[in-house]
Amino acid sequence: DADVTQTPRNRITKTGKRIMLECSQTKGHDRMYWYRQDPGLGLRLIYYSFDVKDINKGEISDGYSVSRQAQAKFSLSLESAIPNQTALYFCATRSADRDNQPQHFGDGTRLSIL
Amino acid sequence: AQSVAQPEDQVNVAEGNPLTVKCTYSVSGNPYLFWYVQYPNRGLQFLLKYITGDNLVKGSYGFEAEFNKSQTSFHLKKPSALVSDSALYFCAVGDQTGANNLFFGTGTRLTVIP
Repeated sequence: DADVTQTPRNRITKTGKRIMLECSQTKGHDRMYWYRQDPGLGLRLIYYSFDVKDINKGEISDGYSVSRQAQAKFSLSLESAIPNQTALYFCATRSADRDNQPQHFGDGTRLSIL
Repeated sequence: AQSVAQPEDQVNVAEGNPLTVKCTYSVSGNPYLFWYVQYPNRGLQFLLKYITGDNLVKGSYGFEAEFNKSQTSFHLKKPSALVSDSALYFCAVGDQTGANNLFFGTGTRLTVIP
């Protein structure tokens, strides 16, 4: 979905480094999400935010932090990266206007930690 | 707690034949069910959802899904497969709390053989 932009698209880094993944959206949605995708495990929720002042942990938040800088921006940080955080990371947004609206995904960031 | 299961990691079907991708769910109340598709190097794209109403839900690209409450299933179907349907398919269930977050299955890779 071109309305949800993730940067960078690919990143290779070393163990112990701090990394920030960024997500911006032009859909005007209140709700934003960070997931990681691992082969055979599907998508798992890391953090989610319902507005700028609302941050919530998801299923696998350990080792990650997030910042909702504005309605349109939601960044994910790995303070000290470790190899098992190598994965495909997705940002998603959803309208809060009505319940059970579908989420809209960015094209992902492929992160490799050596 | 809610969950979904996709019992098949891989489904192969000949072009022109009908296809089915299976999903079963477990929720404590009424289920909110979704299907998404992921093409290579892209994020997930919404196909269809079931919230309430008719058990047969029609979605994008000619796909449909049948909700079966007694079998707790929500199988994705298409009458005639195209090579371009080859992708990774995810079933998801919405949680029953006010957060309305999604819980994804592990995915099924569909390959349509020319």
